[in-house]
Amino acid sequence: AQSVSQHNHHVILSEAASLELGCNYSYGGTVNLFWYVQYPGQHLQLLLKYFSGDPLVKGIKGFEAEFIKSKFSFNLRKPSVQWSDTAEYFCAVSLNSGYSTLTFGKGTMLLVSP
Amino acid sequence: GAGVSQTPSNKVTEKGKYVELRCDPISGHTALYWYRQSLGQGPEFLIYFQGTGAADDSGLPNDRFFAVRPEGSVSTLKIQRTERGDSAVYLCASSDGTGTDTQYFGPGTRLTVL
Repeated sequence: AQSVSQHNHHVILSEAASLELGCNYSYGGTVNLFWYVQYPGQHLQLLLKYFSGDPLVKGIKGFEAEFIKSKFSFNLRKPSVQWSDTAEYFCAVSLNSGYSTLTFGKGTMLLVSP
Repeated sequence: GAGVSQTPSNKVTEKGKYVELRCDPISGHTALYWYRQSLGQGPEFLIYFQGTGAADDSGLPNDRFFAVRPEGSVSTLKIQRTERGDSAVYLCASSDGTGTDTQYFGPGTRLTVL
């Protein structure tokens, strides 16, 4: 079965700092990759997704992620974070095989101080 | 349009009792998923419906858990003889049912078993 590993459980940054959240998955086949975000008091929302094509994916709110197949990685980046980016971020993977049950990482809590 | 809704938002019950959790997916979405999120963890897959049938129930932890979707829309997750370890946030998601679709999550039901 596939699994997802997120490197950091908690990240604290100051506004305008750059962000990179690590995500690695274990599965040898073709996968779809996702980053979801959960803002305080809100439900999970899709930030960006990769199915095929350009491995550099751009999402909402200035976020992007790069799929590196050789490293089984899908790291999330943002060049300059804002206080409003404070949230929990989840990396997820699904098998590209007909339906898309998601396997999630444990999440990374990002706190951005003003 | 309206998103995925779940009721109740919070449920407190006593060990051994029976509970039902409801999910109302986005109109027209044929695929419906249930996940469970324990404290400090990412969501974990429970069961997937395509239409009225449970296409994959491999994530249900034991036979105390059961879910139905009789008319292909609303789904109910049923837990018999609840245990304290069942305490978690139960999430529902829906999608349009294609292999590379996006899952939209509801706000979840926080279940507490005393």
